[in-house]
Amino acid sequence: NAGVIQTPRHKVTGKGQEATLWCEPISGHSAVFWYRQTIVQGLEFLTYFRNQAPIDDSGMPKERFSAQMPNQSHSTLKIQSTQPQDSAVYLCASSPGQKYAEQFFGPGTRLTVL
Amino acid sequence: QQKVQQSPESLTVSEGAMASLNCTFSDGTSNNFRWYRQHSAKGLEVLVSIFSDGEKEEGRFTAHLNRANLHVSLHIREPQPSDSAVYLCAVSHNYAQGLTFGLGTRVSVFP
Repeated sequence: NAGVIQTPRHKVTGKGQEATLWCEPISGHSAVFWYRQTIVQGLEFLTYFRNQAPIDDSGMPKERFSAQMPNQSHSTLKIQSTQPQDSAVYLCASSPGQKYAEQFFGPGTRLTVL
Repeated sequence: QQKVQQSPESLTVSEGAMASLNCTFSDGTSNNFRWYRQHSAKGLEVLVSIFSDGEKEEGRFTAHLNRANLHVSLHIREPQPSDSAVYLCAVSHNYAQGLTFGLGTRVSVFP
């Protein structure tokens, strides 16, 4: 079991460019979560899919951020027109989805916006 | 909106001594509490999950939950230098929600 896979591990973009982050959940897990981690704000929930359907995006910034889960084997987080304040580590987690089931985190993608 | 606060911000302990970390939360109807550990440049590792008042032990890690006091703690028995890391408290109202994290406690264990 390779765990949750996130690619790329590091991404550097220029201000105004688009960034797409990829997450491959653990096989068989039905729930996928996206979080963002910064020194100042800590770990913040962004959005959550269950059986590929979007369930809760209450943590997503209203503009420029979007997430999809086109199939059970991967999810993407897209940031349009990146800004320096988007610089953070973006973490993906997956869970079997049952009550009390753990969330297993990937290693994260470090996004740096110059 | 759920608020989760951890104390202390940092903690230095000697190898073999007990380490105690605190976490307070604002939503008394929460029922999903987890302690994670994060080593530098590594992913999060779940240590203990607790869902009802009382105590839950996983190896050298014990969590205590008191929802009436909006408090959950983590105790590390006989800490080792390899336990040096940031410890994060995470809370949600139910299992089907994203977790709300505290800012963490940085633990340093010295021989």
